[in-house]
Order: sequence, then structure tokens, then C-alpha cells
Amino acid sequence: GAVVSQHPSWVICKSGTSVKIECRSLDFQATTMFWYRQFPKQSLMLMATSNEGSKATYEQGVEKDKFLINHASLTLSTLTVTSAHPEDSSFYICSASMLNSYEQYFGPGTRLTVT
Amino acid sequence: AQSVAQPEDQVNVAEGNPLTVKCTYSVSGNPYLFWYVQYPNRGLQFLLKYITGDNLVKGSYGFEAEFNKSQTSFHLKKPSALVSDSALYFCAVRDTLDQTGANNLFFGTGTRLTVIP
Repeated sequence: GAVVSQHPSWVICKSGTSVKIECRSLDFQATTMFWYRQFPKQSLMLMATSNEGSKATYEQGVEKDKFLINHASLTLSTLTVTSAHPEDSSFYICSASMLNSYEQYFGPGTRLTVT
Repeated sequence: AQSVAQPEDQVNVAEGNPLTVKCTYSVSGNPYLFWYVQYPNRGLQFLLKYITGDNLVKGSYGFEAEFNKSQTSFHLKKPSALVSDSALYFCAVRDTLDQTGANNLFFGTGTRLTVIP
């Protein structure tokens, strides 16, 4: 149980375009979802936290207009990287948490390459 | 404030030997502690957690970790390493007194474990 999927697993896009990454909880209701970014050989950096039906809370230094997060249902959150640039190339990982639970369940990640 | 330190970027161990990956933490309240493993181009896989109870926690794939409150440590251990254990390991903590975010986890910088055949 507690499976989280991400789609796509990898994506290549041209500079200036936007790309959407989906995060789904397959067998549970995710009241909270988290979006992380991981650079090569580095740790995970929390970008934002989203609660179903509410606006996302962004970490300091993360541009909310560039990284649009939508958590419209209890099983789906999306991250849209708008006007992507090569420096946005990274590994993006989502996780999901149930109500009143301290555990996070991680998705397999999405590798974004902006050319 | 909460933080996690993994003092070793790289740990090398021979196959069959015991392994230890170190983690220390700092929290205001009581910690919830987690270990995750990451294989190349994959997300994080849960290994084990300490919430309360016995200080020695047993997890997946033969791994275990010991919560030491006085030393604020939560080192990951395995009695006999396998080549397939080679991966990136992350320690994470959640402070029970943290009311600023829902279930926020703070991750260490990761330790790359290489098991040498």
C-alpha cells in the first residue's frame, strides 16, 4: 500500500516552454503533498507543500510564479515549470502524506532536461 | 530549528563486512527519524523509522538503526553488506514540536555507500 506515482518519469523540453509533472497517490488519500528538487549528488530540497484545495506554501527562494503547484484532489498534485530554462534541469520528486500521519511516501521522481 | 548531519559523503565497505552510515540530528522537541535509500534515477525508498519505543529499529533488507538520545544519533547499520546495497542513503528528521509545516521532513546531505565485491 501507499504507492505514489509520477508522470512523466523523464521529459526533455526546449527553453521557454512549460512542462507539467503529475504526482498521484494510487491507493490512499493524500491530504498533503510535497515537491522536492534534487541536484546531482545533492540532497533533496523542499520546494513547496500543498494541501488539497488550498494554495501551496513555498519555501524561501522558490518562485511561486515559476513553479505552479495545484493540488485539486486528494489523489493528484501537479507541478508546472513555466518558461523553463536550462538551470531548471533537475530531478523533481514528490511525496504524499495522509491526514494526521507523520510519514511521507515518495514518488519515483521526474528528470527534467531543458535544452 | 531542526537539522540533520551525515558526516560522511562516501562510505566504502567490503562485501560481507558490517556497515555503518552515520546520522546525527538536532531538534527542539522529540524527533521522528527516518532512513531512505535512493538508487540512480529513482525516488526514495523507505528503509526504517523511529517514532517511539525500542531504540533499536529493524527495517527493510536487513538494515537496522539505533536511536541514541544522549548522542542525538541514529546510525544505520547492517551486519553483512551486499554489493546490491550500494546506493545513496538519506537520513531525515521531523521535529514533533514543529508547527510551521505539516509533516515537513529535513534531510541530510546523503551518504553514498559502495560495497566492494
